[in-house]
Amino acid sequence: AQTVTQSQPEMSVQEAETVTLSCTYDTSESDYYLFWYKQPPSRQMILVIRQEAYKQQNATENRFSVNFQKAAKSFSLKISDSQLGDAAMYFCAANTGTASKLTFGTGTRLQVTL
Amino acid sequence: GAVVSQHPSRVICKSGTSVKIECRSLDFQATTMFWYRQFPKQSLMLMATSNEGSKATYEQGVEKDKFLINHASLTLSTLTVTSAHPEDSSFYICSAPVTSRNEQFFGPGTRLTVL
Repeated sequence: AQTVTQSQPEMSVQEAETVTLSCTYDTSESDYYLFWYKQPPSRQMILVIRQEAYKQQNATENRFSVNFQKAAKSFSLKISDSQLGDAAMYFCAANTGTASKLTFGTGTRLQVTL
Repeated sequence: GAVVSQHPSRVICKSGTSVKIECRSLDFQATTMFWYRQFPKQSLMLMATSNEGSKATYEQGVEKDKFLINHASLTLSTLTVTSAHPEDSSFYICSAPVTSRNEQFFGPGTRLTVL
């Protein structure tokens, strides 16, 4: 069984600044995958970034990057140069393979201010 | 890219009636699909795994007789909420994995309101 914990219910960042969203997880599996999803007001789930646990290098997608600390079971998301369109709910999630079920954290609501 | 659709996007029904929600993978085949429920300001909770050609696998605490899942083809899974009650009002989301892209794609969701 996997658990995913997000300890920040809400975060706020000024436009153009950087913000980091925290996520910790627990799993007994040796192979697993970690994800950050964005859910805007439309409620459509959008994949932001993913990390394979066997890869040591932190994943990066444009302004989004992760800090994956495997020993600490930590998987934080850094958003650089924040934009108004980044305002949304962000969910951290984990699974043990593409076709396996996702376990989600409780989410962090990100506000972006001018 | 891979697209997953859901129909209807929103439905209002009377207590005691049944409601069917469809989840379709439009440009890829999915032997597995997942059904989630999301209450307001909460996270997604997995309800069940839909398997093409076989029975769905339900998560603990989810009533299989109340939430009927049928995965009749490689592109369609349906969730039927039987004898719906107001407490079943929620946002229901499906997802389907694309193995070659190591990614799950989500439908836009269905908002169910039971009066």
